[in-house]
Amino acid sequence: EPEVTQTPSHQVTQMGQEVILRCVPISNHLYFYWYRQILGQKVEFLVSFYNNEISEKSEIFDDQFSVERPDGSNFTLKIRSTKLEDSAMYFCVSGALNTGELFFGEGSRLTVL
Amino acid sequence: GENVEQHPSTLSVQEGDSAVIKCTYSDSASNYFPWYKQELGKRPQLIIDIRSNVGEKKDQRIAVTLNKTAKHFSLHITETQPEDSAVYFCAARRNQGGKLIFGQGTELSVKP
Repeated sequence: EPEVTQTPSHQVTQMGQEVILRCVPISNHLYFYWYRQILGQKVEFLVSFYNNEISEKSEIFDDQFSVERPDGSNFTLKIRSTKLEDSAMYFCVSGALNTGELFFGEGSRLTVL
Repeated sequence: GENVEQHPSTLSVQEGDSAVIKCTYSDSASNYFPWYKQELGKRPQLIIDIRSNVGEKKDQRIAVTLNKTAKHFSLHITETQPEDSAVYFCAARRNQGGKLIFGQGTELSVKP
């Protein structure tokens, strides 16, 4: 069964550093998302991406965040200057066009010290 | 704004009993309602979903009901087993390709 793959599985960084989280969505999917989950809390929407551009973003997704699909396969989330409150699990999600079903990657745990 | 409220936040049942988790959504344009099971440290896994043109859907021990008028939907698990213990999230989405709005989660504990 096709899978959404994410790297790294865990990253520890110092406050103020830049972080890039990478995702390879399922190959024939057209919708891509980043969600985050702070430990013990609900899953929160960050951004959706369709047709090579952002289609929607949440209030959380401020100027410190950016997304890119540089080569038609990878889908990246960049945090320019990390803050302590960015510590969370970040999930990449890939969406099928025909069914609308969403597939979660295993997540990248970000710890900001 | 768009919001999904989920209750209860924790639920403890005896093995073999039924468990019911309820959600209410605010956006009347929502038309897709998935339920996810999340085990500790793992990603959310889709267990069942329902679309707004259907009132009920069942898959073995799991069923979901939707009341569009009241903007309520519920997850029913019958004959619970210890391996059903996890956090369950409901979610709502307005349109295909749109964002999912998640509820706060219900921690289900099934005691043997």
